[in-house]
Amino acid sequence: DIQMTQSPASLSASLEEIVTITCQASQNIGNWLAWYQQKPGKSPQLLIYGTTSLADGVPSRFSGSRSGTQYSLKISRLQVEDIGIYYCQQASSTPTFGGGTKLELK
Amino acid sequence: QVQLKESGPGLVQPSETLSLTCTVSGFSLTSYNVHWVRQPPGKGLEWMGVMWSGGSTDYNSALKSRLSISRDTSKNQVFLKMNSLQSEDTTTYYCARENYSGSFDYWGQGVMVTVSS
Repeated sequence: DIQMTQSPASLSASLEEIVTITCQASQNIGNWLAWYQQKPGKSPQLLIYGTTSLADGVPSRFSGSRSGTQYSLKISRLQVEDIGIYYCQQASSTPTFGGGTKLELK
Repeated sequence: QVQLKESGPGLVQPSETLSLTCTVSGFSLTSYNVHWVRQPPGKGLEWMGVMWSGGSTDYNSALKSRLSISRDTSKNQVFLKMNSLQSEDTTTYYCARENYSGSFDYWGQGVMVTVSS
């Protein structure tokens, strides 16, 4: 199975700050990478698919990028509604998820 | 609009079999893949398996011996059965639709299952 190592596990940031979360794939997954946001008691919500494509209704402050087998999710100006847990997921083979990043307000 | 909804028992006895149903609307099971994903309380997401649009299945190798996924296209339902349940199977179970990029664009609200006597 392809392993997705996500970092950091937790992150505290201020409003309007730039936030970056990364996922390292254990092997080449091309652009088969998605990001999700999950709020307490809710189902995960798709943010980005295909490494860089924004899902419907997702604010443009979210963006995705790739460098080799490292993938990043960037929030350009953190808003209060962005608080939650973020997961990456590879779709190159049988799906696997990163361990999650808990994003809190400082 | 696209919707998925899981249903099933909230409590299952140890060593028993779990049966869950995912009822979908707004899309066809013969056009989209439907996956099952689970999440233990306070922990991360674990992919369990998939019903491919063509009717075949794939499973997480760690669960394969205990897991079965099937469907009834006439009822727009996908079923999950998992046997020999233990306490570590206490978790929220989600069904999710896969879009054409391999990601999950719609999720059910999830069903919490507790394994306990």
